[in-house]
Amino acid sequence: EVQLVESGGGLVNPGGSLRLSCEASGLTFRDAWMSWVRQAPGKGLEWVGRFKSKGNQATIDYAAPVKGRFTISRDDSKNILYLQMNSLKTEDTAVYYCTTVKAGAACFDYWGQGTLVTVSS
Amino acid sequence: QTVVTQEPSFSVSPGGTVTLTCGLSSGPVSTNYYPSWYQQTPGQPPRTLIYSTNTRSSGVPDRFSGSILGNKAALTITGAQADDDSDYYCALFMDSGTYVFGTGTKVTVL
Repeated sequence: EVQLVESGGGLVNPGGSLRLSCEASGLTFRDAWMSWVRQAPGKGLEWVGRFKSKGNQATIDYAAPVKGRFTISRDDSKNILYLQMNSLKTEDTAVYYCTTVKAGAACFDYWGQGTLVTVSS
Repeated sequence: QTVVTQEPSFSVSPGGTVTLTCGLSSGPVSTNYYPSWYQQTPGQPPRTLIYSTNTRSSGVPDRFSGSILGNKAALTITGAQADDDSDYYCALFMDSGTYVFGTGTKVTVL
């Protein structure tokens, strides 16, 4: 059974930084395409970014609102996906979900329970 | 800026049928956008229902079906049940390698 467990959320001041982690199990992580999706309180889903597997050139793509501020990385030896968030804004306040991406189908397959990030002074 | 639009809300009677749509501001939705659909209840992560336009995810009941209707992607619930009372989101895969979620539809079964 695939399990994704996010951690690292919390309260941070505007302009601050935070790093989220997503620990994966039940899958061959090094072959998995992974993504982050967020959801602001009471709002809809918003795609943040995707990291293809290293076997697929490890391409990383980002949504426009986070490009240049957020960085996705992965440690295949530990089965962990990261989201480094810098220059945080109040509008980045959201639950951040880690997901797998079904390669060839461009869909978000398995989802974690999410971790809440609150950007506020 | 690309906008993916869904109906804000729908109401359906138990046993009834409802079709939700997913439209794209820049033009018609085709299978090339790999439309996918997600169901979400309050406080829970989304659940994947449909991918690649019309393929049901593992364990999804066959009362959920996906298609292209006219110039939009569509999700049809046939024989709605109380459990289907949820928010539904579509997502499209863009040429740029990015993804865009729809605005979401709240379905009420009553």
